[in-house]
Amino acid sequence: KAGVTQTPRYLIKTRGQQVTLSCSPISGHRSVSWYQQTPGQGLQFLFEYFSETQRNKGNFPGRFSGRQFSNSRSEMNVSTLELGDSALYLCASSPTITGLVEAFFGQGTRLTVV
Amino acid sequence: GNSVTQMEGPVTLSEEAFLTINCTYTATGYPSLFWYVQYPGEGLQLLLKATKADDKGSNKGFEATYRKETTSFHLEKGSVQVSDSAVYFCALYENNDMRFGAGTRLTVKP
Repeated sequence: KAGVTQTPRYLIKTRGQQVTLSCSPISGHRSVSWYQQTPGQGLQFLFEYFSETQRNKGNFPGRFSGRQFSNSRSEMNVSTLELGDSALYLCASSPTITGLVEAFFGQGTRLTVV
Repeated sequence: GNSVTQMEGPVTLSEEAFLTINCTYTATGYPSLFWYVQYPGEGLQLLLKATKADDKGSNKGFEATYRKETTSFHLEKGSVQVSDSAVYFCALYENNDMRFGAGTRLTVKP
């Protein structure tokens, strides 16, 4: 069974640009959540989707957005990138409706903003 | 709000040493508690969990007991191996809110 797949693995963007990250969950998993991991702030919850609906949202500015498609694949978008957005972005999928439990994580997308 | 506090790392141990990584939490009610592990270059993996007071989670020789009276969920292993070198995260989940600790890096030397 394939794991959670995140693309791309590495990304370099310039301040002010926007970026879209992709996550393919484990087959059969309908819940997808996103996290930002930085050395200073650790792991912070961004948002969670279940059946194309956002169920929860963390404390991030509106520049961070996401969506989920009917096949459960998810994308997150960050607009007007800032240097502080440089981080490892992790996606996790879960078979349960309470998607923040029993989560299976992907390897992450490392975003560098220059 | 809810929060998780882990002992700061890094922790360096020799192979076969005893491991303890402390974790305490603050929550309004009765959260579920987790330990996740992140190996180099990989995402997080669930290591073990406990969903109510006095539950003991265990996996791969690691154990942690949910102690409500001390609001703690310390991770222990009796004899660590080089392959246990990783970053360990304590986490809690309550009312659709997931919080992670800052992570503790463990290095095990042969």
